[in-house]
Amino acid sequence: ETGVTQSPTHLIKTRGQQVTLRCSSQSGHNTVSWYQQALGQGPQFIFQYYREEENGRGNFPPRFSGLQFPNYSSELNVNALELDDSALYLCASSLGLAGGRGTQYFGPGTRLLVL
Amino acid sequence: GQQVMQIPQYQHVQEGEDFTTYCNSSTTLSNIQWYKQRPGGHPVFLIQLVKSGEVKKQKRLTFQFGEAKKNSSLHITATQTTDVGTYFCAGPFVKKLVFGQGTRLTINP
Repeated sequence: ETGVTQSPTHLIKTRGQQVTLRCSSQSGHNTVSWYQQALGQGPQFIFQYYREEENGRGNFPPRFSGLQFPNYSSELNVNALELDDSALYLCASSLGLAGGRGTQYFGPGTRLLVL
Repeated sequence: GQQVMQIPQYQHVQEGEDFTTYCNSSTTLSNIQWYKQRPGGHPVFLIQLVKSGEVKKQKRLTFQFGEAKKNSSLHITATQTTDVGTYFCAGPFVKKLVFGQGTRLTINP
């Protein structure tokens, strides 16, 4: 177990709705990254938060946004959901401003289905 | 763009046979990381390679980082049913970690 927790585990939404996913990082880790993993694909980097500020973003539209709190937990918000947003959303914590160099400790993920 | 490619996409072996997956990057990497994802699970960190030509072993798993730091491989000797899953390599590009599409390993007991 990595100590990274995510909620909820599963979620069903309809197109156009908004969703908030939550992540608690491993104790002592100050960096949180979010990934989207479509079925049969590798995780795709959405963005990373370090000390409450966004530090790096992948090729995702602005309707994907996030927050990091003083306790280093994090939220991923997705507005105006589309069918293609159906995926496993993974949160990963790491230590320091690694810029991708640090080991990522993944949570169990939230499986989102958009109908 | 920044790409990490893995081959093969799928591999089915008999238990006891060896397995190898290959990873290639479009650019030189500062390090390469390997993860394993069991069916229905999440990626779990296996190892990080940093030095050119580095070879690391974990029991039956052997990881190599190429001399040019653009390719890597994972070799499993004498596979066991517990090795089933998808193996991903990942490399850092600027401020993000880019994953390959993975190699899914299935094993016939």
